[in-house]
Amino acid sequence: EPEVTQTPSHQVTQMGQEVILRCVPISNHLYFYWYRQILGQKVEFLVSFYNNEISEKSEIFDDQFSVERPDGSNFTLKIRSTKLEDSAMYFCASSVNEKKLFFGSGTQLSVL
Amino acid sequence: AQTVTQSQPEMSVQEAETVTLSCTYDTSESDYYLFWYKQPPSRQMILVIRQEAYKQQNATENRFSVNFQKAAKSFSLKISDSQLGDAAMYFCAYRSVSGSARQLTFGSGTQLTVLP
Repeated sequence: EPEVTQTPSHQVTQMGQEVILRCVPISNHLYFYWYRQILGQKVEFLVSFYNNEISEKSEIFDDQFSVERPDGSNFTLKIRSTKLEDSAMYFCASSVNEKKLFFGSGTQLSVL
Repeated sequence: AQTVTQSQPEMSVQEAETVTLSCTYDTSESDYYLFWYKQPPSRQMILVIRQEAYKQQNATENRFSVNFQKAAKSFSLKISDSQLGDAAMYFCAYRSVSGSARQLTFGSGTQLTVLP
């Protein structure tokens, strides 16, 4: 069964550094998403992406965050200058038609 | 804004028994989707079941079924013949059908323990 693939599974970075989290969505999917889950808290929406542009974003998704689909297969989330509070599990998801989202295994980001 | 409430932070069930996880939500919309996601210790989010609000029939996927009560805004998950592999955090989620806010809104989760 096709899967959403995320790399790396764990990322450790120093505060203030830039990180790029990578995702390979399921190949025929058109809608792409990033969610995050701070340990012990709810899963929160960050951003959705369709037709090469952001379709929705939450208030969490400020100017420090950006997304890109650079080559038609990868979908990346960049955090320009990481803060301690960015430490979380980041989930990528994709969907054919927004009715059913398939999530990846997540990237655990630790900001020191 | 929509909210999703899971009032049971933890539940346990004996292997082979049945357990029901509760979820309520608040919305002014008439059409929407509801989901249950399972998050095992690996922390991957796995879709368990989906319900479309315009459908009166409750969704079923093998041992998993829902009790969707639209007027009461209630969406409970029943797991029959519980197995050790069902042990996980279960999240209820809501999504609008129309409009600009179509992201998933999650509840706080219910940690399910399955006892051998």
